[in-house]
Amino acid sequence: KQEVTQIPAALSVPEGENLVLNCSFTDSAIYNLQWFRQDPGKGLTSLLLIQSSQREQTSGRLNASLDKSSGRSTLYIAASQPGDSATYLCAVMPGTASKLTFGTGTRLQVTL
Amino acid sequence: GAGVSQSPSNKVTEKGKDVELRCDPISGHTALYWYRQSLGQGLEFLIYFQGNSAPDKSGLPSDRFSAERTGGSVSTLTIQRTQQEDSAVYLCASSLRGPGEPQHFGDGTRLSIL
Repeated sequence: KQEVTQIPAALSVPEGENLVLNCSFTDSAIYNLQWFRQDPGKGLTSLLLIQSSQREQTSGRLNASLDKSSGRSTLYIAASQPGDSATYLCAVMPGTASKLTFGTGTRLQVTL
Repeated sequence: GAGVSQSPSNKVTEKGKDVELRCDPISGHTALYWYRQSLGQGLEFLIYFQGNSAPDKSGLPSDRFSAERTGGSVSTLTIQRTQQEDSAVYLCASSLRGPGEPQHFGDGTRLSIL
């Protein structure tokens, strides 16, 4: 059974700092990996999707990498802003491509 | 609207009652998913619809839970004889063609069982 772990569970950084969120998964036979953000009381917003054949994806200040063999992904946020404050979730789609398994998330707070 | 729409946004009901939660996916999206988010369990998959294929119901926690998708669009998740442990946020998502693509989520229905 796929297990997805995110470290740290919570993180507080001052505005402007670059930061890295970590995601690890136990079964490397994945179809893709997705990063989402969730604001309080809201649904999830898709940030980046990395297919199993890819190593990284970039969108603006966000960069996600994937090392399938070691079961790891990182989300890099450059020049963090208070508006980046949210919970970040990674989710893994198995090789059978049916349903996502989510990590428990990292709660990020960017302070002024 | 352009996004996934869920109703109601909040539902409070007494233990033992039945509830229906509705999801309107993004127009043209063939894949629809239901998830449950609770404090103790995180985000869990419930059920997945793809076009006219038989749904993947492997995540439904008991036979009190059922879902249908009419006309390949709107979906309803029904919970019969609700229990307190059913209290959670129920999230719906859709994607254009299937699981290999980004999933777009609604804001969820917060269900509270008294």
